Amino acid sequence: KQEVTQIPAALSVPEGENLVLNCSFTDSAIYNLQWFRQDPGKGLTSLLLIQSSQREQTSGRLNASLDKSSGRSTLYIAASQPGDSATYLCAVMSGTYKYIFGTGTRLKVLA
Amino acid sequence: KAGVTQTPRYLIKTRGQQVTLSCSPISGHRSVSWYQQTPGQGLQFLFEYFSETQRNKGNFPGRFSGRQFSNSRSEMNVSTLELGDSALYLCASSSINSGKGNEQFFGPGTRLTVL
Repeated sequence: KQEVTQIPAALSVPEGENLVLNCSFTDSAIYNLQWFRQDPGKGLTSLLLIQSSQREQTSGRLNASLDKSSGRSTLYIAASQPGDSATYLCAVMSGTYKYIFGTGTRLKVLA
Repeated sequence: KAGVTQTPRYLIKTRGQQVTLSCSPISGHRSVSWYQQTPGQGLQFLFEYFSETQRNKGNFPGRFSGRQFSNSRSEMNVSTLELGDSALYLCASSSINSGKGNEQFFGPGTRLTVL
């Protein structure tokens, strides 16, 4: 059974810092992995999608990597800003048409 | 392109009642998935529909059901509501045929409160 873990559960950093969020999964047989952000009480916003054949994806200040063999993905945020404050979720598609979500990392960027 | 829309955005019901939530996917998307989000359990998969067929189902009781129409719009129904059904219900759509295959786009959710 696929399990997805995100560490740390919460993180508070000063503005301008570079930071790394971690996502681990137990079954390496995944189709893809997607990173989302969620603002309080809102839906999820897709950040990056990494297919199982890819090693990384980049969008602006965000970079996500995938190491299937070790069951890990990292989301790197460069030069963090207060507007980056949100909960970040990773989800893996493992099995058919079904995403398994991690518990999220709650990020607070202090001005 | 309009995003995923969900109606209603907020609902208050009492125990024992039933409720129907609606989701309209992004135009051209034929896959719709439903998730339940609670503080204790996080995001949990309910079911996924493609071309009016349920292709996968999560571990929820039979009180939770769904369907998809020919225009890809989807509804989910919860019968005999319990207090524990209070949650944010999220709908996601994806285009299986897109180059990004299976990237999911989420709606704003429906906040259900059961009293």
